[in-house]
Amino acid sequence: ETGVTQTPRHLVMGMTNKKSLKCEQHLGHNAMYWYKQSAKKPLELMFVYNFKEQTENNSVPSRFSPECPNSSHLFLHLHTLQPEDSALYLCASSQDPSGNQPQHFGDGTRLSIL
Amino acid sequence: EDQVTQSPEALRLQEGESSSLNCSYTVSGLRGLFWYRQDPGKGPEFLFTLYSAGEEKEKERLKATLTKKESFLHITAPKPEDSATYLCAVRWDSNYQLIWGAGTKLIIKP
Repeated sequence: ETGVTQTPRHLVMGMTNKKSLKCEQHLGHNAMYWYKQSAKKPLELMFVYNFKEQTENNSVPSRFSPECPNSSHLFLHLHTLQPEDSALYLCASSQDPSGNQPQHFGDGTRLSIL
Repeated sequence: EDQVTQSPEALRLQEGESSSLNCSYTVSGLRGLFWYRQDPGKGPEFLFTLYSAGEEKEKERLKATLTKKESFLHITAPKPEDSATYLCAVRWDSNYQLIWGAGTKLIIKP
């Protein structure tokens, strides 16, 4: 596979469930990102990882917990989510986090909270 | 407040009818402006990066231009397959994070 792959593509969960989103990039990039995309709103940056180290956490609630075991894999662990957390969650990667290189995105996980 | 505004929110064109999408920004110290295309059910796909006023980039029917306050994405003789949401994002000063616009949904009718 090439590019950035996200699984699952769709996820429906109750507010008390625990689930995880997975992202894998095959581009040899060193930086990885989680974004939240809600209808008609700009992309919201959640977390940034550079060489497996978290470099940014944009005041994201603790019910979202990221994990980056290596430069190619990124997870987003979810627990006790709220209905307003329903959105498209996008993973992206770039050569480095400097902002000079474009970010490449996966196709996202569509999350619905019941 | 630093922000990025895209207009119009939605644009409907007939096939072959050329037009432009706008991305205006109020950040200081622009370090790069990025254009992306997003199809329904897909992630954003990178199109162009512009770094300085006066710069232009082209790809097929798309041409991106940049001034000190805004960028335009010109689409010439569009086809139905050009229908998508077009997003712009800005990097400023030494901040590596991007500020994103809310996008323009482009619909090309055959």
